Amino acid sequence: DADVTQTPRNRITKTGKRIMLECSQTKGHDRMYWYRQDPGLGLRLIYYSFDVKDINKGEISDGYSVSRQAQAKFSLSLESAIPNQTALYFCATSDHGGRGNQPQHFGDGTRLSIL
Amino acid sequence: GESVGLHLPTLSVQEGDNSIINCAYSNSASDYFIWYKQESGKGPQFIIDIRSNMDKRQGQRVTVLLNKTVKHLSLQIAATQPGDSAVYFCAESTGFQKLVFGTGTRLLVSP
Repeated sequence: DADVTQTPRNRITKTGKRIMLECSQTKGHDRMYWYRQDPGLGLRLIYYSFDVKDINKGEISDGYSVSRQAQAKFSLSLESAIPNQTALYFCATSDHGGRGNQPQHFGDGTRLSIL
Repeated sequence: GESVGLHLPTLSVQEGDNSIINCAYSNSASDYFIWYKQESGKGPQFIIDIRSNMDKRQGQRVTVLLNKTVKHLSLQIAATQPGDSAVYFCAESTGFQKLVFGTGTRLLVSP
């Protein structure tokens, strides 16, 4: 979905480095999410945000942090990367839930490899 | 291409056949369900959703069926095309828009 843009698309780095993944959206959605995808495990929620400055932990938040300084941007940081954080990372957005659950819309992902 | 699952269940069909992809969900309190399609190198793409007050919903060439009694969800694709080849994920939510994803099914469509 071109309305949700992730940068970089690919990154190779070394253990111990600090990494930041960026997500921006032009959909005007309030809600943003970060997921991790590993083979055989589907997508797992890392953090989510329902509004600017709102931050909530997901299923696997340890080792990660996020920042939501603007409605359109949600960044994910790995303060000290470790090899088992090698994965595909996806950002998603959704409209607010005033009318019930709404579909989440995903970017095309960042492939992160930690050596 | 990108591998999103090395040992996914796989459904192989011929072009023109109807496909049925099944999903068992875990939480009887889930009230929202959604199907995504993921092609190699891309993010999940929304296909269709259904709320728990319904048992069937139709889209263009796709139908989702929900059986709450046995906690089962299915995606039916009519007249499957080679472009339908992808990994398909179901996801459930109990509210607050936190989706829990299944592990996916790979659909292979032969010409």
